[in-house]
Amino acid sequence: EIVLTQSPATLSLSPGERATLSCRASQRISSYLAWYQQKPGQAPRLLIYDASNRATGIPARFSGSGSGTDYTLTVSSLEPEDFAVYYCQQRSNWPITFGQGTRLEIK
Amino acid sequence: QVQLQQSGPGLVQPSQTLSLTCAISGDSVASNSATWTWIRQSPSRGLEWLGRTYYRSKWYNDYAVSVKSRITINPDTSKNQFSLQLNSVTPEDTAVYYCARDLTGQNYFDYWGQGTLVTVSS
Repeated sequence: EIVLTQSPATLSLSPGERATLSCRASQRISSYLAWYQQKPGQAPRLLIYDASNRATGIPARFSGSGSGTDYTLTVSSLEPEDFAVYYCQQRSNWPITFGQGTRLEIK
Repeated sequence: QVQLQQSGPGLVQPSQTLSLTCAISGDSVASNSATWTWIRQSPSRGLEWLGRTYYRSKWYNDYAVSVKSRITINPDTSKNQFSLQLNSVTPEDTAVYYCARDLTGQNYFDYWGQGTLVTVSS
């Protein structure tokens, strides 16, 4: 089973700042990685798939990058609604697995 | 617009069966491209993929090894929905359960149900 390790566990930033979230896989996953945003009491929302493709309706301030085992989600300029928990998910190998999440909180 | 509406009890007794249903609007459970999945989330286990059903000229199911002996996911084409049954539940099965759609069979989930908190307790 591929283990996804997200860092940091919590990121404290202010609106307007740039956020960089990391996801490291225990083995190479060939860019088969997605990012989700989850707000309290809501289901996860797909942001990015195949490491760098924005899902339908996702603002351009969200971008993904990476290859091999190391992947990054960047939010270029934080809006108030971006403060949430973010999860990565791999589909390279069965079973599908998720990271433990990074909480993005308002500083 | 795709919508997934979950229903089912929020409390299940230990050793009993957890049963949830996900009603689909805006798509078809018999789609030849989408797959229909159950995922759960708990503080101890995080997000955990449980299994899926999909139609490609016939019906297929895939299940997580961790629950394979206890899980059944069934499509219901007459009602355009799919269901989850998890047998012999224990308190470790307490979680928020989500149904979700994978549009292209590539195992990314673009639409989710609202979630159902299921507590296993006597």
